Amino acid sequence: DAKTTQPTSMDCAEGRAANLPCNHSTISGNEYVYWYRQIHSQGPQYIIHGLKNNETNEMASLIITEDRKSSTLILPHATLRDTAVYYCIVFPTGTASKLTFGTGTRLQVTL
Amino acid sequence: DTEVTQTPKHLVMGMTNKKSLKCEQHMGHRAMYWYKQKAKKPPELMFVYSYEKLSINESVPSRFSPECPNSSLLNLHLHALQPEDSALYLCASSQSGTSGRYEQYFGPGTRLTVT
Repeated sequence: DAKTTQPTSMDCAEGRAANLPCNHSTISGNEYVYWYRQIHSQGPQYIIHGLKNNETNEMASLIITEDRKSSTLILPHATLRDTAVYYCIVFPTGTASKLTFGTGTRLQVTL
Repeated sequence: DTEVTQTPKHLVMGMTNKKSLKCEQHMGHRAMYWYKQKAKKPPELMFVYSYEKLSINESVPSRFSPECPNSSLLNLHLHALQPEDSALYLCASSQSGTSGRYEQYFGPGTRLTVT
């Protein structure tokens, strides 16, 4: 599996945009970028995924660089409930396969 | 409905006990997963079932025995566990085949303590 690199922790003020970066320089052509988050003591929650185009849903936006070697997850208006560990994972599509979680970024949203 | 349910929420068992963890989904997903998560660590895959057949076993000790009785249910049978097996056990499900969408949906987990 391709590896990802994320900052260990980040802070964000409530109401501001949270921009979480991820490096995945060894990503293969058939691998998607997936983002999950895990709020304390809960199961991981799927946020968004993309291949090469930018994606947006009701939770977040995903910006993938043209060379696909890095991406940024954007939470446009962070709230206290967005405090969680955010995982960036590259994942080959086409079959049921394992998610390999890295250490993720611990996002702390503050008042 | 994107809900995966797991029972029980908490389980305390002795090293000689036999217990089972249960997982259920009604999203029509044909792939189901067991993950183990130790405190302050990311989840680690244990097993994958695809179309009710075991497709991935991440070299898990035989004291953990998975079972997929039908496409909606996934069990994890536990026997002769060790204290170091204490962890949060997470179940997940996803579509399979050629659907084009493979995001996994996780349950809340079962917090297991082995005494």
